[in-house]
Amino acid sequence: RKEVEQDPGPFNVPEGATVAFNCTYSNSASQSFFWYRQDCRKEPKLLMSVYSSGNEDGRFTAQLNRASQYISLLIRDSKLSDSATYLCVVNRGDSNYQLIWGAGTKLIIKP
Amino acid sequence: GAVVSQHPSWVICKSGTSVKIECRSLDFQATTMFWYRQFPKQSLMLMATSNEGSKATYEQGVEKDKFLINHASLTLSTLTVTSAHPEDSSFYICSTEQDLSGGYTFGSGTRLTVV
Repeated sequence: RKEVEQDPGPFNVPEGATVAFNCTYSNSASQSFFWYRQDCRKEPKLLMSVYSSGNEDGRFTAQLNRASQYISLLIRDSKLSDSATYLCVVNRGDSNYQLIWGAGTKLIIKP
Repeated sequence: GAVVSQHPSWVICKSGTSVKIECRSLDFQATTMFWYRQFPKQSLMLMATSNEGSKATYEQGVEKDKFLINHASLTLSTLTVTSAHPEDSSFYICSTEQDLSGGYTFGSGTRLTVV
């Protein structure tokens, strides 16, 4: 089993739609959780940190369920510029610094 | 915010040659730098963790004699791919450790093509 698993994708959705990404992690000792966005041939950029209480930033909402070891990202009213690969990232349980990256889910927003 | 300058952004080299990739932290000190590799359509894979003034820690399966890491100062970490082969062609990217905002600052990446 992979340490961090994401939906395989790609997701092709029309502009304005709501998109949900799912992610599960295997290490119950993990403490930090993130969603990163990566554009083609570019470095990843932090989209959101994910907190136990859930957090929202504009059109983006992240949720964490520690009991199920599950993380989600919701994008509402999707824009063309949201097209990218979304990476679920979890820190290693035995190290607060080292990260384990999901394979990413590619999102394609169509006009 | 923190900025990590990574160079070169892309490089093409002949098989058997060595390539050095630099990551510099600008306006801050990076005691730890992470080096990742990303093959097309795959996730980032941690190769090694470099610590200023000490030996790097390599992940399982990563040849330390092939991927030489030097972190001689608090603002510079380098990765040298020695005797590069076509299978080493990949996107190499460095990252600092977690900052106060909770994020990790990445360099812009180096796309290495070995021909």
